[in-house]
This record gives sequence, C-alpha cells and structure tokens, in this order.
Amino acid sequence: GQQVMQIPQYQHVQEGEDFTTYCNSSTTLSNIQWYKQRPGGHPVFLIQLVKSGEVKKQKRLTFQFGEAKKNSSLHITATQTTDVGTYFCAPHMEYGNKLVFGAGTILRVKS
Amino acid sequence: ETGVTQTPRHLVMGMTNKKSLKCEQHLGHNAMYWYKQSAKKPLELMFVYSLEERVENNSVPSRFSPECPNSSHLFLHLHTLQPEDSALYLCASSQLPPSGIMNTEAFFGQGTRLTVV
Repeated sequence: GQQVMQIPQYQHVQEGEDFTTYCNSSTTLSNIQWYKQRPGGHPVFLIQLVKSGEVKKQKRLTFQFGEAKKNSSLHITATQTTDVGTYFCAPHMEYGNKLVFGAGTILRVKS
Repeated sequence: ETGVTQTPRHLVMGMTNKKSLKCEQHLGHNAMYWYKQSAKKPLELMFVYSLEERVENNSVPSRFSPECPNSSHLFLHLHTLQPEDSALYLCASSQLPPSGIMNTEAFFGQGTRLTVV
C-alpha cells in the first residue's frame, strides 16, 4: 500500500531563519495538498500541486512537487512567529475520496 | 468560519455513557469525513461518506458508529468508550468531482475535544 513519510517531525527555528518540510511517497502520486494547523486550531488548506516539477509560491511559502511525483516540499523563507503550527501534506494516489495525511511537521519559532 | 460546524466543542463523558458528535456543512459538498487527532499521533482517517454512502471505514472499533442522514449532516455516535479514545475529533467536507483525478480542498470544522473519564 501507499506509504508516506513526512520529515522532520519537529523543528524549532529562530525568527528569520528558513524552514523546510518534506513529504516522501513510496508510490507515484496524482497530486498532493498541503495544510496548516495552528495550535488549538483545525487544518486549513494551503495549496494543491498537480504537475510534475510544479513550483508554486504564496508570499514567503514555496511549494514544490518532484519530477517523479513522489516527493514534495514546503519551504518558508524568513520565518515569523505567525508561521508556528503543524504543516501536513495530504498525498493522493489517484482520484478517490480517501483523504489521508502525513504525520505532520511541528514548527516552533523563537522570537 | 469555515462553513463546517461541529458540536459540541468540548465533551467529557464516562465510559458507560452514550453521546453523539454532530457535524454540519453549509458548502454544498458531497463528501464528509471523520478524523481522530491524538496528542502524539497524526490525523487518523476514521470514516468517509460520499453521496451519503459510507465508502471508507478504517478498522475503527464498533464503539464508534457514524451516521450520515443527508449530504449536509454527519454524526458520530459514541458508546462504551475507553480513556484512550480521548482526542480531538475533526469533521471535514469536500466536493468530489464526477470524474477525473483532480481532488478538491477539504474544509475542516473546529473539532470536538473529547475526554473519556
């Protein structure tokens, strides 16, 4: 079956430093979504990547989908305290209604 | 406000109690989901309903019983729970397209924080 690993599990950075979380699948994906969950909150959709090698940007956030469509990353430039939370990837193998999530990366930012 | 409303927000119940969690979505979506989120575990998919039909049941113990009376409402009936069932229970909805492989984003409710004593 599909196996997805999200790393790191936890990262603590100084404000202004960069941050990256990775989502790696053992099988080829059709697309992948990213979500953010603030402490005490619920997951909120950030973006969806569909095409091989796709790169999308949202202000300081850069999302990438690997050429083989097995890997994805979320990179935050110059982190701010508002970036704290848990970032989840949600990989999709094929069309379907099974929305599963990676284990998530917890980001803490020291000001 | 995400368009998905969960009640109650907090629930404390004894192991012999019976209670229900409610989820309502106002987005016109055709799929709804229940997730369990524990302190040290990732989001665990419990049940999926698509067009009011249960299409996914991830080996969830029978003490959790879902119900989807229509496309806007989803319930999770709880009975004889264990302390390890204490967690945040999240409901989500999405719109599944009739064909193709393009998934759409999921919208989550704010969750019910359940404590079993």
